[in-house]
Amino acid sequence: DAGITQSPRHKVTETGTPVTLRCHQTENHRYMYWYRQDPGHGLRLIHYSYGVKDTDKGEVSDGYSVSRSKTEDFLLTLESATSSQTSVYFCAISGDGGSYTEAFFGQGTRLTVV
Amino acid sequence: GENVEQHPSTLSVQEGDSAVIKCTYSDSASNYFPWYKQELGKGPQLIIDIRSNVGEKKDQRIAVTLNKTAKHFSLHITETQPEDSAVYFCAANANTGNQFYFGTGTSLTVIP
Repeated sequence: DAGITQSPRHKVTETGTPVTLRCHQTENHRYMYWYRQDPGHGLRLIHYSYGVKDTDKGEVSDGYSVSRSKTEDFLLTLESATSSQTSVYFCAISGDGGSYTEAFFGQGTRLTVV
Repeated sequence: GENVEQHPSTLSVQEGDSAVIKCTYSDSASNYFPWYKQELGKGPQLIIDIRSNVGEKKDQRIAVTLNKTAKHFSLHITETQPEDSAVYFCAANANTGNQFYFGTGTSLTVIP
């Protein structure tokens, strides 16, 4: 398995509170991604990073922010959690393209907003 | 952006039969098409992929075909086994920004 660790694996939080999810990789891959997975929607891209301090929005970025201060860490923050953000969140990593285009996923974080 | 559609959403087959999952994509710039298998409670695992300069690729019981003209690609699993039961996702990558766009998944059940 690719060296990707997500933390925490499970979290329950209250509406309106900030939440930060962490993704840590040991593969030195350039690209890192945050996806959310919901029934009927598959995997939807929230934000991604193409290098330290280089990030961009995905298709469902509203209510989320990210930071990448080191190659190995990519943080996803829910600024003020809402019930609609209850989901399973996956981090993924990928290389520079060409033969290294493969994306590998972490084990996921199940977030419940009550 | 890219739009990937996947069918069927659920599929049941008898053990030993074949299973086929189909996907279409919209962006002609997409050039890399991976397939993932996700077991309950786990992250998606890459099982096979194909690049736009290849029409077919096989790996033991699984194969993927790509029709660039029609913007279709398919996953074929032969001699299915109960351990093939899982959710399968197709994806497309245009390399621009190295973003991956996923289908909505197919829940495959192999009946012993």
